[in-house]
Amino acid sequence: EAQVTQNPRYLITVTGKKLTVTCSQNMNHEYMSWYRQDPGLGLRQIYYSMNVEVTDKGDVPEGYKVSRKEKRNFPLILESPSPNQTSLYFCASSLVTITPRGDEQFFGPGTRLTVL
Amino acid sequence: DQQVKQNSPSLSVQEGRISILNCDYTNSMFDYFLWYKKYPAEGPTFLISISSIKDKNEDGRFTVFLNKSAKHLSLHIVPSQPGDSAVYFCAALSGTYKYIFGTGTRLKVLA
Repeated sequence: EAQVTQNPRYLITVTGKKLTVTCSQNMNHEYMSWYRQDPGLGLRQIYYSMNVEVTDKGDVPEGYKVSRKEKRNFPLILESPSPNQTSLYFCASSLVTITPRGDEQFFGPGTRLTVL
Repeated sequence: DQQVKQNSPSLSVQEGRISILNCDYTNSMFDYFLWYKKYPAEGPTFLISISSIKDKNEDGRFTVFLNKSAKHLSLHIVPSQPGDSAVYFCAALSGTYKYIFGTGTRLKVLA
């Protein structure tokens, strides 16, 4: 089954304790991305990656790191989490096409993170 | 500075009627627009998209209209069904793969 998986689904942690949220896709997609969803703010892109070893900042990259060492995996790293990073996080992947534009991002089920 | 705005946080529609969800944008460089639907406890799912060279795209019950001069797009759902009740996000792209999403509109279709 084609899917994007995220782990963990729920996480409660404390300020400053490094954490990693994993994301994996089995569709051989070049493009992967991380978003956070907050009430009243919608979905905001954190980082995205067009392919292995190619990453770029989205709208809200501060406080986050990513890496893309393999095509299927795109972990999100919070080196020193703070309470304002409490949010619902989504990973997504898609093919990269130019014409037409690649449009169907497949989203993971989400990771609800609470930083105390 | 919100480049993509969905000014209606919620919308209620009777089953069988038309649902119209609106989205405004400020950046004239956006060249591709998308709508995603999100149910609670699930990730968003792609619904329909439109290129800036078009003004309309249809897929079954869903039609997206783009008015570039007004920097406005809308999603029409006809007829609306209870299963359409969800949060709808519009999103825009501008030549790169940096997505800008709106804040979402919660649609409730009443049986």
